[in-house]
Amino acid sequence: QVTLKESGPVLLKPTETLTLTCTVSGFSLSNPRMVVTWIRQPPGKALEWLAHIFSNDDKSYSTSLKSRLTISKDTSKSQVVLTMTNLDPVDTATYYCARMSSGSLLFDYWGQGTLVTVSS
Amino acid sequence: QSALTQPASVSGSPGQSITISCTGTSSDVGGYDYVSWYQQHPGKAPKLMIYEVSNRPSGVSNRFSGSKSGNTASLTISGLQAEDEGDYYCSSYTSSSTVLFGGGTKLTVL
Repeated sequence: QVTLKESGPVLLKPTETLTLTCTVSGFSLSNPRMVVTWIRQPPGKALEWLAHIFSNDDKSYSTSLKSRLTISKDTSKSQVVLTMTNLDPVDTATYYCARMSSGSLLFDYWGQGTLVTVSS
Repeated sequence: QSALTQPASVSGSPGQSITISCTGTSSDVGGYDYVSWYQQHPGKAPKLMIYEVSNRPSGVSNRFSGSKSGNTASLTISGLQAEDEGDYYCSSYTSSSTVLFGGGTKLTVL
């Protein structure tokens, strides 16, 4: 059974750094067909793809957020970590991690999401 | 990169068919057959409905179908049911090795 679960802080202040962890089960981060992705959704707004990481550690980032994002993984812990620096209230969103199949580039399993609020 | 363009809302009566469009460019929708569609109900994570333009995952009703022409992909839902109401998002792989989502379409079943 494939599951993904996001964890991290729920409230941060502007300029702080967000660190989110996605813990996966039911598949291995060393599987070359599996990619873990971070996606966010501000309240009432659309989905926004942020970044993904492949089993060989290749990474890809949103063009608009690239300077603020870092994605990494710990295969032994089955965890993928996303950091986002210099937070702003517009970064308030539900953050999802999802599994992407590298063959079909589809997001087939999603975490439940975690709401992160940025406010002074 | 701008989001893919979707209509903000569509509506239809039970039993009818509706189509949601998703317009991009030759660098995303038009350049690759990696277009997917997701359904999202309030407070829930999105659910994959269509992948690679027109393929349905196991368990998704055959009332859902996808197609693409040029830079525009489309999702058609036939035989509308109340449970189809929700938000729908398209996504596409891009020439920059990134992923773009559409702005989302709210489907109302009248």
